Amino acid sequence: AQTVTQSQPEMSVQEAETVTLSCTYDTSESNYYLFWYKQPPSRQMILVIRQEAYKQQNATENRFSVNFQKAAKSFSLKISDSQLGDTAMYFCAFITEKAASKLTFGTGTRLQVTL
Amino acid sequence: KAGVTQTPRYLIKTRGQQVTLSCSPISGHRSVSWYQQTPGQGLQFLFEYFSETQRNKGNFPGRFSGRQFSNSRSEMNVSTLELGDSALYLCASSLNGAFGETQYFGPGTRLLVL
Repeated sequence: AQTVTQSQPEMSVQEAETVTLSCTYDTSESNYYLFWYKQPPSRQMILVIRQEAYKQQNATENRFSVNFQKAAKSFSLKISDSQLGDTAMYFCAFITEKAASKLTFGTGTRLQVTL
Repeated sequence: KAGVTQTPRYLIKTRGQQVTLSCSPISGHRSVSWYQQTPGQGLQFLFEYFSETQRNKGNFPGRFSGRQFSNSRSEMNVSTLELGDSALYLCASSLNGAFGETQYFGPGTRLLVL
């Protein structure tokens, strides 16, 4: 079975601080992509960052970076210099080569950024 | 470029009725995927359409169906609605649904079944 586990249902961080959201996944496929999506209260799902499984270098997008540990099947998201606009649900997801259009999502982590 | 649009944004139906939701992908995108989001089950893949053909399907009953038109717009239909069908229905588009392509999501249609 292909699964994504996000063990932190809710997290809180103060503005300008750093926070790390955890994600583990399970798949028997060797070729896949991992994603972090953000869903603000307005509900529009937005891509935050993506990582190809074959790339060892961790992806970064401005204040967002990942720690990809392939052997451990771990894909955590680090948000640096947190901003109020980062308040949202964050979903970890992956897609495999065999089911290229089917995203498998975790249950999400609700992140609250406070003053 | 305009993003993915979905209509209607909100819908209230009663049990036993049927409903049709619409999704217009980003211009040039030919793949449209549908997802159901509920508090209990989270985000689940319904199906994907490409070139007017259903290419992938999730584990949903046959009451859930869809189609895609020649302009890549897609519709999703749910017949004989049940209370458990209350959910946010999201569609996402990508260029060709190929491996590695990013899916871009619409704002969703919130369906309430009474």
